[in-house]
Amino acid sequence: AQSVTQLGSHVSVSEGALVLLRCNYSSSVPPYLFWYVQYPNQGLQLLLKYTTGATLVKGINGFEAEFKKSETSFHLTKPSAHMSDAAEYFCAVSDRPSGTYKYIFGTGTRLKVLA
Amino acid sequence: GAGVSQSPRYKVAKRGQDVALRCDPISGHVSLFWYQQALGQGPEFLTYFQNEAQLDKSGLPSDRFFAERPEGSVSTLKIQRTQQEDSAVYLCASSLSGGRTPNEQFFGPGTRLTVL
Repeated sequence: AQSVTQLGSHVSVSEGALVLLRCNYSSSVPPYLFWYVQYPNQGLQLLLKYTTGATLVKGINGFEAEFKKSETSFHLTKPSAHMSDAAEYFCAVSDRPSGTYKYIFGTGTRLKVLA
Repeated sequence: GAGVSQSPRYKVAKRGQDVALRCDPISGHVSLFWYQQALGQGPEFLTYFQNEAQLDKSGLPSDRFFAERPEGSVSTLKIQRTQQEDSAVYLCASSLSGGRTPNEQFFGPGTRLTVL
């Protein structure tokens, strides 16, 4: 069965500092991977996705993630944190074997940005 | 265009009551998913529709949970005889394709259900 692990339920960074949110997955087949952001009282918004091709994926708001098959990782990074980045971030893998491509989510990482 | 909408946004129910949660997907989207997000957790899959057909209901936690999408657009998630453990945010998502490609899922704002 596929699964997703997000290390660190809470991460704090200073404004302007590097953001690194960790995601590891387990999958028996090449995975499709996603990062979503959730602001309070709002739905999940897609930041970026990896399906095939280039392993470094660029998303919205300056975020990017690198798919590393050897490490089964898909960590999310942003060079310089902004106050508006404070939110909860979810990594997800798409459950391909089921045929429906439903998402399997990690437990989330709440990012706090300090002034 | 309009995104995915859900109603009500908040629902308080007494234990044992039945509730119905509505999802209006993006027009033309074939696939519709329901997820349950407990406090402090990531969303967990409940069920999937391709048009009006419910192709996967493996995530429904009990037979008290029932979902339908009779005309292939609006969907309703019904919970009968609610229990306190049903308290969660229920998220609806839709995607353009028929679920066999990894298209982006667009999420609604969710319905926060509190069972007293």
